Amino acid sequence: GNSVTQMEGPVTLSEEAFLTINCTYTATGYPSLFWYVQYPGEGLQLLLKATKADDKGSNKGFEATYRKETTSFHLEKGSVQVSDSAVYFCAQYNNNDMRFGAGTRLTVKP
Amino acid sequence: DTEVTQTPKHLVMGMTNKKSLKCEQHMGHRAMYWYKQKAKKPPELMFVYSYEKLSINESVPSRFSPECPNSSLLNLHLHALQPEDSALYLCASSHDLDTQYFGPGTRLTVL
Repeated sequence: GNSVTQMEGPVTLSEEAFLTINCTYTATGYPSLFWYVQYPGEGLQLLLKATKADDKGSNKGFEATYRKETTSFHLEKGSVQVSDSAVYFCAQYNNNDMRFGAGTRLTVKP
Repeated sequence: DTEVTQTPKHLVMGMTNKKSLKCEQHMGHRAMYWYKQKAKKPPELMFVYSYEKLSINESVPSRFSPECPNSSLLNLHLHALQPEDSALYLCASSHDLDTQYFGPGTRLTVL
């Protein structure tokens, strides 16, 4: 079946540190892959997406590359800011089925 | 414009009350969704409407009743809820059935 696994949190970083949040998926066929971000007290915001192998999604300094060979879609940012503190969800859409990972809480300290 | 609006932002209700949550989008999206999100958990799909027809019902209890009056509006009618139904209720919409855009949610507390 379809599933998403992302790294356990919480993750705490200092401002300007490099961020990686790992995400792997299992799916039959070729899913679309997403990263959503949820700030405290808010809904989910689409951060970036990729729809086929080797696509790179990017937005606001965040990047993720669709790796079919490793079934991964890791989120990276070169220099995090305090304002990036939030919960990040990896997700896949495949055959009318949207699956979310458990979420990773990121805290960035000044 | 990728805005999905939800009202109310907060709702407190007793177990005997009847209330409704409202969701609206004006992006011409053909699918709309209700999700339930408990604290520190990912969203769980409750209902999907595609072209104003209920296409997936994830075996949600009948005390939750969805309604899609037109392609821009989605309601969730609530009746005889339990305290464990307290959660953040999220609405989403999608044009191409994979990329979903979420509203800010309604924080529901059942006393």
